[in-house]
Amino acid sequence: DQQVKQNSPSLSVQEGRISILNCDYTNSMFDYFLWYKKYPAEGPTFLISISSIKDKNEDGRFTVFLNKSAKHLSLHIVPSQPGDSAVYFCAASGNTNTGNQFYFGTGTSLTVIP
Amino acid sequence: DSGVTQTPKHLITATGQRVTLRCSPRSGDLSVYWYQQSLDQGLQFLIQYYNGEERAKGNILERFSAQQFPDLHSELNLSSLELGDSALYFCASSVVDYGYTFGSGTRLTVV
Repeated sequence: DQQVKQNSPSLSVQEGRISILNCDYTNSMFDYFLWYKKYPAEGPTFLISISSIKDKNEDGRFTVFLNKSAKHLSLHIVPSQPGDSAVYFCAASGNTNTGNQFYFGTGTSLTVIP
Repeated sequence: DSGVTQTPKHLITATGQRVTLRCSPRSGDLSVYWYQQSLDQGLQFLIQYYNGEERAKGNILERFSAQQFPDLHSELNLSSLELGDSALYFCASSVVDYGYTFGSGTRLTVV
């Protein structure tokens, strides 16, 4: 049962343009969300987070938007750079009946074309 | 170096065998989590230990088990291996339940 879904397995964007990565979740108990970035042969690294008390969090070129009513979050990267090419995972956590561990989406592979 | 160490980095073994994956958490982190990443699935949570005790269990098969030792390192034991167990196995650690640091993973290939 995939509680966190990233329906786009891949995305290609021209350098300098905006990249938008989407993530949907099903569990209304989730109240904390993360985005991770993963390069090949490396572990995921933390990128940006948002808690459910906010609807937007910005860190440099990265902005995460949360729409609680739609159970949807998105990561915007502006402007996109070739070094942003990686797999991006969204993750969600909350006080669920199975504990506070994170549930991850399947990832979206972003390619930024120079 | 994230501070979370996983060994070995690569492992090739035959079906039916048993392997042990090891994880040393970042210094000071009491929680250790194991995740499996296969080709068609995202990161699937397997199990969490906190200060030596099992805290939460996810989609972990009965053929798999884990433990966390007094020095806080953890081992994930995979037995009666099947071809479908081939995957990347990640360990992560955290001080509290939010904000993980991941290791670089162990790539297991079952042939």
